[in-house]
Amino acid sequence: QQKVQQSPESLIVPEGGMASLNCTSSDRNVDYFWWYRQHSGKSPKMLMSIFSNGEKEEGRFTVHLNKASLHTSLHIRDSQPSDSALYLCAGGRAGGADRLTFGKGTQLIIQP
Amino acid sequence: ETAVFQTPNYHVTQVGNEVSFNCKQTLGHDTMYWYKQDSKKLLKIMFSYNNKQLIVNETVPRRFSPQSSDKAHLNLRIKSVEPEDSAVYLCASSRANNQAPLFGEGTRLSVL
Repeated sequence: QQKVQQSPESLIVPEGGMASLNCTSSDRNVDYFWWYRQHSGKSPKMLMSIFSNGEKEEGRFTVHLNKASLHTSLHIRDSQPSDSALYLCAGGRAGGADRLTFGKGTQLIIQP
Repeated sequence: ETAVFQTPNYHVTQVGNEVSFNCKQTLGHDTMYWYKQDSKKLLKIMFSYNNKQLIVNETVPRRFSPQSSDKAHLNLRIKSVEPEDSAVYLCASSRANNQAPLFGEGTRLSVL
């Protein structure tokens, strides 16, 4: 059973629109989340991390975290075609990155 | 620009053969990892190596073994490949084991 669930599996958003991606962990030991972006044929690149309850914004990207429900979401405003990629959420447990569990990802397509 | 270098980029082999993949990081990071990304893009950690301590994911078959000569190198050997080993193998490193892993570009293995 996948411990990190991401939804939706795929998402189509018009250029300039808002993309919202969700991620929930069923592992109560998860303490923080990382979001990675993986363009086709490339390796995952870390996008944002969140360790505390609340919201964190970096440019067009905003991440929310609710530790009580172990739910995080990533929001991309003013979406660009270059944002089209696979977005991977990883839940981290205290002790280190060797305890990271990745979700299956959300495939985001931005339509020009 | 990646500072985790993997060779080869691609490798095609037959069932039962032995293969070795190389990974080197030039960042001075203390921890290195091997991940497997399957055809459905699911990323799973196989090994992490920090300060000569190896942590193995218990689901990894025994035919897989990591080899490290120093903290900048972590190679992966597969003793006798099986068809289900076809995947992309991603090497990563992090400054400490609680930092987000930085991935190399991967080695794509095809087992015929």
